[in-house]
Amino acid sequence: EAGVTQSPTHLIKTRGQQATLRCSPISGHTSVYWYQQALGLGLQFLLWYDEGEERNRGNFPPRFSGRQFPNYSSELNVNALELEDSALYLCASSLGGTDVDEQYFGPGTRLTVT
Amino acid sequence: SQQGEEDPQALSIQEGENATMNCSYKTSINNLQWYRQNSGRGLVHLILIRSNEREKHSGRLRVTLDTSKKSSSLLITASRAADTASYFCATFSNDYKLSFGAGTTVTVRA
Repeated sequence: EAGVTQSPTHLIKTRGQQATLRCSPISGHTSVYWYQQALGLGLQFLLWYDEGEERNRGNFPPRFSGRQFPNYSSELNVNALELEDSALYLCASSLGGTDVDEQYFGPGTRLTVT
Repeated sequence: SQQGEEDPQALSIQEGENATMNCSYKTSINNLQWYRQNSGRGLVHLILIRSNEREKHSGRLRVTLDTSKKSSSLLITASRAADTASYFCATFSNDYKLSFGAGTTVTVRA
């Protein structure tokens, strides 16, 4: 069974540009989560999608947005990139519903903003 | 700010010894989960404990949860070199918020 996949592996952008990160969940999973992991820090929760709808979002500005497609894959968009957006962005998936159970993580996208 | 905070930040033990790390959180939770992250395998789910449970075991892992103290502990028994990793607690609160702590870095010496 394929795990959670993310693309691209690495992304280099300049300040002010936009970045788009993609995630494909495990087959059968309807919930997708996005996290930011800056160097030396823990994971900061960004967004949670389930069945195409945004369930919750973390304390991030509106320039962090995303969506979930009918096939449950998801996209994270970061507009007006700032240097501090440089981080590892992790996507996870789980069986859907109102509870959050075991999450399966992808390998991440390393975003570097110069 | 993060809901869960692990303690200690770093731990170094000899192979075969036990490792204990703690997690404290602030708001009421639905469940608490522990994850491991190392460079080879990324983030991997270890164990989930629900708010109405007090203790759970999985292989060499033992997790306790004290909701009155808003704390949890993870015990790894008979540690191995392969247990060298960062360990994170994650809380899912009753208001549907997810939060990970900053992690405990465990080094197991041969």
